[in-house]
Amino acid sequence: SQTIHQWPATLVQPVGSPLSLECTVEGTSNPNLYWYRQAAGRGLQLLFYSVGIGQISSEVPQNLSASRPQDRQFILSSKKLLLSDSGFYLCAWIGVGTEAFFGQGTRLTVV
Amino acid sequence: GQQVMQIPQYQHVQEGEDFTTYCNSSTTLSNIQWYKQRPGGHPVFLIQLVKSGEVKKQKRLTFQFGEAKKNSSLHITATQTTDVGTYFCAGPRSNQGGKLIFGQGTELSVKP
Repeated sequence: SQTIHQWPATLVQPVGSPLSLECTVEGTSNPNLYWYRQAAGRGLQLLFYSVGIGQISSEVPQNLSASRPQDRQFILSSKKLLLSDSGFYLCAWIGVGTEAFFGQGTRLTVV
Repeated sequence: GQQVMQIPQYQHVQEGEDFTTYCNSSTTLSNIQWYKQRPGGHPVFLIQLVKSGEVKKQKRLTFQFGEAKKNSSLHITATQTTDVGTYFCAGPRSNQGGKLIFGQGTELSVKP
């Protein structure tokens, strides 16, 4: 069965500092991977998705970037964090026509 | 663009009362999915509906997919404190494979 590992679970970072969140998937090959962000009390906003190594599509312009260096690895990054980057970041694997499997999430607070 | 709207945003009920959340899509959906997110947790898949007018039950939860496949509802009978959380509906984006568009969610709180 599919397993998604996401870390760290919580992170407090100062404004202007870099960010790197990692997500790895087990139990499937060539997965479609997604990064979502959830602001406090809000819904899930799709940030990036990737259908394969090196293939990244961005949904909204923002201060973040994503990379897919390996088939089962998806990384969310920022060079300089903003206060507005605070939120709950979720990595997900979604098969075509199937449900989404989410990682445990990273709660990021930018101070 | 394609949107999935969910109401209400919040619902506070007394334990034992019923609860319903509604989901409406701006476009026809090939399927609708429902997820539950416990406080502090991540969304967990509950169910997928595919057929027009489909109704599925999971114990006290009843899920319905509209005839036009543009709306859906989740009804919980006799809520319990374990039902607390945010319920999301999600549908695939038109012509874009596995991408899911999530509703804003309905946050349910249950007073014992």
